Amino acid sequence: GAGVSQTPSNKVTEKGKYVELRCDPISGHTALYWYRQSLGQGPEFLIYFQGTGAADDSGLPNDRFFAVRPEGSVSTLKIQRTERGDSAVYLCASSLLNTGELFFGEGSRLTVL
Amino acid sequence: KQEVTQIPAALSVPEGENLVLNCSFTDSAIYNLQWFRQDPGKGLTSLLLIQSSQREQTSGRLNASLDKSSGRSTLYIAASQPGDSATYLCAVWAGAGSYQLTFGKGTKLSVIP
Repeated sequence: GAGVSQTPSNKVTEKGKYVELRCDPISGHTALYWYRQSLGQGPEFLIYFQGTGAADDSGLPNDRFFAVRPEGSVSTLKIQRTERGDSAVYLCASSLLNTGELFFGEGSRLTVL
Repeated sequence: KQEVTQIPAALSVPEGENLVLNCSFTDSAIYNLQWFRQDPGKGLTSLLLIQSSQREQTSGRLNASLDKSSGRSTLYIAASQPGDSATYLCAVWAGAGSYQLTFGKGTKLSVIP
C-alpha cells in the first residue's frame, strides 16, 4: 500500500504477557519513528530509526520496551512483561529524512488487562 | 524542554464559519512545525508543514502561519464543514540532531450542520 501500515490494529493482552507490534513504512522512507498516545494526550516520542539502527531511543520508558528494524524497512516494537500502564495507542511514522514531514499509520491500540 | 500548548482544547462552531486554532511553543529554536488532523480511533493525517524559514503555508481551505520569534502558530480553516470535525494537533521539530516531534494535546473541533 501507499501509506504506513501497522498491525495489529487492536491487541488485548493480560498483565505480564509479551507483545509485538509491527510497522511497515512507506516504501523508500529511511526514517522510522514510534510514538505512544494516551487518551486525551498528544503522541509522545519513543524511538527513531535511521536505516537499521536506532539513532535515538531516549523516549523508551524502561527496559521492558525494545524495537528493531533489521533490514531497514519493517520495524517491530516489543514489550515484555506488560503492565496496565502500557495501555495506549502505539503510532508508527516514517519520513524522508531531509523533509522532516512525518506520515503516520493508523496505530495499534494496546489494552493490558 | 520544549512544551507545546494548544488553545482552546475544544471548539464548536456552526457550519460555514471561519475559525482559528492556536498553537504556542516555549522554545523558538525549531526546524519546522507540522499540523495534523486525527479522527476518532484513527492515526494522524498530515495537513501542513511549515519550515522555520517560512511564514505560512496554504492547502485548500487551510492556512497555517508561523511566528517563530513569538513561539506561535495558527491554523485558519475557511468556510468550515461538518467533515472538518476532528482533533487538530500541532507538533514542532527541533532539528539540529534531534528527531523528536513535540506535540500539543490538540483542539477538538466540532462543526455543527
